[in-house]
Amino acid sequence: DAKTTQPTSMDCAEGRAANLPCNHSTISGNEYVYWYRQIHSQGPQYIIHGLKNNETNEMASLIITEDRKSSTLILPHATLRDTAVYYCIVLTQGGSEKLVFGKGMKLTVNP
Amino acid sequence: ETGVTQSPTHLIKTRGQQVTLRCSSQSGHNTVSWYQQALGQGPQFIFQYYREEENGRGNFPPRFSGLQFPNYSSELNVNALELDDSALYLCASSLEGQAYEQYFGPGTRLTVT
Repeated sequence: DAKTTQPTSMDCAEGRAANLPCNHSTISGNEYVYWYRQIHSQGPQYIIHGLKNNETNEMASLIITEDRKSSTLILPHATLRDTAVYYCIVLTQGGSEKLVFGKGMKLTVNP
Repeated sequence: ETGVTQSPTHLIKTRGQQVTLRCSSQSGHNTVSWYQQALGQGPQFIFQYYREEENGRGNFPPRFSGLQFPNYSSELNVNALELDDSALYLCASSLEGQAYEQYFGPGTRLTVT
């Protein structure tokens, strides 16, 4: 079972920041937070991951709370192409890593 | 650099038949994972292959089986197809020891009638 909870859906205006929340209250000390997204009719795409420090890459920023029980994925300037289902996943690195996807959250970026 | 490719794109089979789906991993990736995605759901892990051996399996019956070849490409075989097997089947490849960062193919849409 997925260890995370996300809202079912969210809307965002094009050009604005999209802040996507995720709760993972049962996360253990060696588990990382991963974000993937799935654009319609495509396979999921890796976005970013982190353990406890905030992370940023060319796609997004990941903010993890100090107690690590929740996180927020930030798309700083959302575009129409960011419309997708976003999955928040917790995972221990090493060994046979299987990604456990929940239902994710549908982000719709509106013009 | 070639991404993950899957074939065929779409497939229609009859209940009770057998099907083979194929996946070519991204260049340099030696780990392949397969997922089943029913409509409106997130992908569900079927199994993973590393160095031609099964390296982890999800909650799927034995009629779901796989192979990985020396060039790291992979096959998913499903025997005795059931209507509930209708889904998008996704293949993902990754580097050794980095299976948490997986690169997915576009999937094969299987319809069982």
